[in-house]
Amino acid sequence: DSGVTQTPKHLITATGQRVTLRCSPRSGDLSVYWYQQSLDQGLQFLIQYYNGEERAKGNILERFSAQQFPDLHSELNLSSLELGDSALYFCASSGGSSYNEQFFGPGTRLTVL
Amino acid sequence: GEDVEQSLFLSVREGDSSVINCTYTDSSSTYLYWYKQEPGAGLQLLTYIFSNMDMKQDQRLTVLLNKKDKHLSLRIADTQTGDSAIYFCAEREGNTPLVFGKGTRLSVIA
Repeated sequence: DSGVTQTPKHLITATGQRVTLRCSPRSGDLSVYWYQQSLDQGLQFLIQYYNGEERAKGNILERFSAQQFPDLHSELNLSSLELGDSALYFCASSGGSSYNEQFFGPGTRLTVL
Repeated sequence: GEDVEQSLFLSVREGDSSVINCTYTDSSSTYLYWYKQEPGAGLQLLTYIFSNMDMKQDQRLTVLLNKKDKHLSLRIADTQTGDSAIYFCAEREGNTPLVFGKGTRLSVIA
C-alpha cells in the first residue's frame, strides 16, 4: 500500500458527460501529480500541483482541469468526455520524507461509452 | 523533448536472471526509476538511482547506470513467477514530473 488513495476505482459514463476523480496524497506529501495511462499513449503526465498551486502542465486537454485543496487532496475534472478519454488515471504524490520518490495510487479506470 | 525507450517483451525461465534495459535521451536526468505494474494494479516503485551513481543493489534487484551511453538496466536475480508484470523505466530532472518508457512485459515461465 503506497499510502495514496484514489476514488472511485471504476467509472463508467457516456460521451459528453463530466466526471471528477479524487486523490488523497500520502501524509506529509505536498506534491500531487496526475498521469493518464492508455494503450496507445502509454503513461502521460497531465498536471502537477504543489501545496495548492499549479506547478507543471503536461499533455492535458483543455476539457480537463484539476485543483489541489487546502487539505492537499486533489481532484481531476474531465468534461465533454469522448471515447478516447477511456483510460486509467493515476495520481502520485511526493515530498515530505521521500522527496525523490513518487508514490502512485491504485488508479481510476474510466470507461466512456 | 525527453524520450525513454524500452523493449516491449522479455521472457525468462523461473530461477534465471532477468535483465530489462532502458535508454533515455535527456542528459539532464538526475533520477532514474524502475516501477512494476501487475495486472489491474497501480505502479509500485521498485528502486531508483541518482545519476551520479553507477550501481545500486537492493536484495534481488540490481540497477546499473551507464550515464555516457544513457543506458539503464534492471537485473532481477532468481526470477520467480510472481515477478511477471510490466516494468517501467522513468526519468526526471530535479522535481519535475516523471517521463516514462512504454514498459517491458516480463513473462516468467515455470
